[in-house]
Amino acid sequence: GQNIDQPTEMTATEGAIVQINCTYQTSGFNGLFWYQQHAGEAPTFLSYNVLDGLEEKGRFSSFLSRSKGYSYLLLKELQMKDSASYLCAVRVAAGNKLTFGGGTRVLVKP
Amino acid sequence: DTGVSQDPRHKITKRGQNVTFRCDPISEHNRLYWYRQTLGQGPEFLTYFQNEAQLEKSRLLSDRFSAERPKGSFSTLEIQRTEQGDSAMYLCASSYGTGDGYTFGSGTRLTVV
Repeated sequence: GQNIDQPTEMTATEGAIVQINCTYQTSGFNGLFWYQQHAGEAPTFLSYNVLDGLEEKGRFSSFLSRSKGYSYLLLKELQMKDSASYLCAVRVAAGNKLTFGGGTRVLVKP
Repeated sequence: DTGVSQDPRHKITKRGQNVTFRCDPISEHNRLYWYRQTLGQGPEFLTYFQNEAQLEKSRLLSDRFSAERPKGSFSTLEIQRTEQGDSAMYLCASSYGTGDGYTFGSGTRLTVV
């Protein structure tokens, strides 16, 4: 099976940067996904990494190191609307099933 | 296409009753997934379909749970003899092939009283 760990909660100030770490242990790794989920809403796709390195998409960036079983999501120029849970999910080679971590709740304060 | 649709949005049922949820995926998506999410936790995998074939079912899923996708389009998830522990958000997602992430529906929130 997969074991995915991420912090439970983080607090940051509007305009600042926050980095959410995710570590995983899995066999047959075939990609790592980050999703954003506002309270009471469905998760929405943010980013996808399958090769080592940094993927940048506007204010959000995601990094992957497969040898370390490690990823992070970087949120820059934080806005109040970024207050949400951020879910790390791992895909294995067989099929397209995603296994999710418990999520990191980010609270952005003024 | 309006995305992934789930019905109903909310369901309150008495313990011991059966409930059925429906999911309509994005029309060109051949894969459909069911997840369950409780407050403060990440989504937990239940089962998934490729077209009409159910390819995997979680070992954590009791035999009170059954899912179908008879024509490879919409899917239903049935829970028989509901228990209070079944109270959760039930999320459906779809994808095309294996190269894409999921698109989630808004979920069905089940409360068993």
